[in-house]
Amino acid sequence: ILNVEQSPQSLHVQEGDSTNFTCSFPSSNFYALHWYRWETAKSPEALFVMTLNGDEKKKGRISATLNTKEGYSYLYIKGSQPEDSATYLCAFWWNYGQNFVFGPGTRLSVLP
Amino acid sequence: GAGVSQSPSNKVTEKGKDVELRCDPISGHTALYWYRQSLGQGLEFLIYFQGNSAPDKSGLPSDRFSAERTGGSVSTLTIQRTQQEDSAVYLCASSLRGEAFFGQGTRLTVV
Repeated sequence: ILNVEQSPQSLHVQEGDSTNFTCSFPSSNFYALHWYRWETAKSPEALFVMTLNGDEKKKGRISATLNTKEGYSYLYIKGSQPEDSATYLCAFWWNYGQNFVFGPGTRLSVLP
Repeated sequence: GAGVSQSPSNKVTEKGKDVELRCDPISGHTALYWYRQSLGQGLEFLIYFQGNSAPDKSGLPSDRFSAERTGGSVSTLTIQRTQQEDSAVYLCASSLRGEAFFGQGTRLTVV
């Protein structure tokens, strides 16, 4: 299985802080990079689908960037809120979109 | 069904017992994945199916774990002689053409 890494493994921030996480993936055979937000006992919620090198996506206080040449994506959360507490997963799609592999996730806790 | 269905949603079992976890993917999805997340740990790949075959079983943590998929549809993950370290949320996903769909997970607690 391909190696997809995420850092940090976990993160505790205060409400109002801005934060960012990294997803590293193979730079070859790239099809797409998806970001998800996962709360236990729920299905992962899709945040962004990123396909082109240099892509930047934004949804409210959350944004993401993509660098396919060097194999990384950043997820940014501005002004973290307690409801942002979740595990953030990236999924690297390869083989022409036939397959994907998750990173291990970054567990974010936002303290009020 | 409309989405990926996993059952049971919660399972508490005694150490040493066998358990079966079920995943019912979206009809027509050829790829099916099992992952798990233990408490305080990252999401861990277990096994991937393409149709009924499993090209990658590398993530199964021990020979107590096995999985099968029949008819290109339902998959069962079986854990024999459960141990406390098997306690985790087991997540199933199916995919087709660059889009993945997820179940809500099965929370397994081994006491």
